[in-house]
Amino acid sequence: DTEVTQTPKHLVMGMTNKKSLKCEQHMGHRAMYWYKQKAKKPPELMFVYSYEKLSINESVPSRFSPECPNSSLLNLHLHALQPEDSALYLCASSQQLRSGNTIYFGEGSWLTVV
Amino acid sequence: SQQGEEDPQALSIQEGENATMNCSYKTSINNLQWYRQNSGRGLVHLILIRSNEREKHSGRLRVTLDTSKKSSSLLITASRAADTASYFCAPGGGADGLTFGKGTHLIIQP
Repeated sequence: DTEVTQTPKHLVMGMTNKKSLKCEQHMGHRAMYWYKQKAKKPPELMFVYSYEKLSINESVPSRFSPECPNSSLLNLHLHALQPEDSALYLCASSQQLRSGNTIYFGEGSWLTVV
Repeated sequence: SQQGEEDPQALSIQEGENATMNCSYKTSINNLQWYRQNSGRGLVHLILIRSNEREKHSGRLRVTLDTSKKSSSLLITASRAADTASYFCAPGGGADGLTFGKGTHLIIQP
């Protein structure tokens, strides 16, 4: 099973809402990632977790709050977002945070902020 | 990790033709990966080539790596409509996630 599952596939939220994106993998991977992708742009790295600890935060605004409750789950909590935060949010995982490791991506969650 | 620069940014060919795209990077690497993204979907890993390898094949894919020129190429032979996608290279990445360039947007015309 080389699958990263993301829910929901689509999310519409108001600027005052609080919502969460969820990501799950059962490959025993110990590194997990959040990427953000705007239309016609490459994915941009947001956060990296290694062994359930936040390893990298690419200067992401605090209205995005990641959480890794266990080695299989990764959440992205959303609060007070702006319309410009509308994008495809991709979760990914790899065996470890190591050069040359294949990174497996989920199909993404489409977020629209209204 | 460093960002690769894919070239061309857009490529349109007829079904059945071969497609070649290139990736250049700036600093020495141990490996380079190629990923594909179909429109609105997640990225899919295609192939990894290590710095001690010059060429690698996987099905209809052929990847080369020239470490002296700091460049890699991805060749897709006998293209199909399903190959329509964006292709990204990721030089030397993995220890701190992968950084993606603008990619090559490949369109296969029927």
